[in-house]
Parts: sequence; structure tokens; C-alpha cells
Amino acid sequence: GAGVSQSPSNKVTEKGKDVELRCDPISGHTALYWYRQRLGQGLEFLIYFQGNSAPDKSGLPSDRFSAERTGESVSTLTIQRTQQEDSAVYLCASSSRGNRGGAWELFFGEGSRLTVL
Amino acid sequence: TQLLEQSPQFLSIQEGENLTVYCNSSSVFSSLQWYRQEPGEGPVLLVTVVTGGEVKKLKRLTFQFGDARKDSSLHITAAQPGDTGLYLCAGAKSGTYKYIFGTGTRLKVLA
Repeated sequence: GAGVSQSPSNKVTEKGKDVELRCDPISGHTALYWYRQRLGQGLEFLIYFQGNSAPDKSGLPSDRFSAERTGESVSTLTIQRTQQEDSAVYLCASSSRGNRGGAWELFFGEGSRLTVL
Repeated sequence: TQLLEQSPQFLSIQEGENLTVYCNSSSVFSSLQWYRQEPGEGPVLLVTVVTGGEVKKLKRLTFQFGDARKDSSLHITAAQPGDTGLYLCAGAKSGTYKYIFGTGTRLKVLA
């Protein structure tokens, strides 16, 4: 597709249920990132993938959070036994090497808004 | 621990005024980026700076990377209502592609 696609765009769930959030990156982008954004705040790093390998999982808040990626394609972020504090927008970004000193340019999807009741 | 602190957190100004947003850290970054985010959308890249002391201009926006590559600033000249949004800095340390985002500056430009 032309851009990063995330689904669902909105998810309302009850406390204790599991949720899966999906990200379709831009074709050919080797790196994929997940961030969490609470209302009106900056982005909190969760995890990033290089291909289907995750060099850094340090941002995952607890063992209730997990993510996987199939090859250099779709990624799924799973939150088990959701809690009210998990309510936030979950943003996915994909990237390829840019032209400035090896820096990666991140292209973001519109996010999945999760509300835990 | 938030590695990148932005100031101010909120800014409301009149059209035509100038403003500066700061992004500070105690860590050294190999590259630093600025993004703008509008409601309901993901952040969009504005600029990347990679060299200490580098200054880049994008129309009315001027970006500077600190000499020590620990901080950056964004200056907007003659702000317009279309500049309204959440401005985010993001940095990656040498040898990693883990991009850490700042706390954000919410700008509102009044007509």
C-alpha cells in the first residue's frame, strides 16, 4: 500500500480481555516500530523490529505485552489481560534508510485507539 | 526515564509571532529528527539533523543541532494557524536505530 496501515482504528474492550493490534508497513521497509501515546503526550517506545528480529524489546511495559513480525511484513502487538492504564493510541511506524548520515526516516500509521473499560 | 525533554510543553501565540521550541538531553545522539503531529494522525517527519552545530531551514522553520549533539531547537518565524500541532523531537544513539521521542510541545497559533 501507499502508507502504513493499522487496524483496528478504534478498539473498546473490557478489562481483562486480550487485544491484538495489527500493522501493515510500507512495502520494502525493513524496520518496524511500535509506540504508545497517551492523550496529549509524547510517544513512548515499545519495540522495534529489523526484519523479523527484535533487537530491542526494552520498552514493553510488562509481560502482558508481546509483539511479533512475519518476515519484513505484517506485525501484531498483543496485549493480554488488558488494564485501564493500557488505554492509549498505539502507533506503528516503518522505515528505510534515509539520505542523512544513515538516519532512518519513520513513516507512521494513523494509530489504533484502545479504550479499556 | 524520559531521555528527551521538550520545552515549553504548551504554547499559544498570535499569528505573525516568532517562537522557539527546545529539545534537551544529557545523552549524545547520532541523529535528531523533528516531527509534527495533527489530531487523529501519526507524526510526519519535518527534518533530520546529523552533524553537531548543523542548521537547516525549511521555509519559515529553522532547526539547529547542538554542537555536542545533546540538544536541538526549532524556531518558527511569523507563525501561521497552519503551524498548529504537536511538535516532537526524536533521537537515536550511535549504533542503534531505536528512536526515542521527546515529551512534545503543543503549539496553537491564533488567527
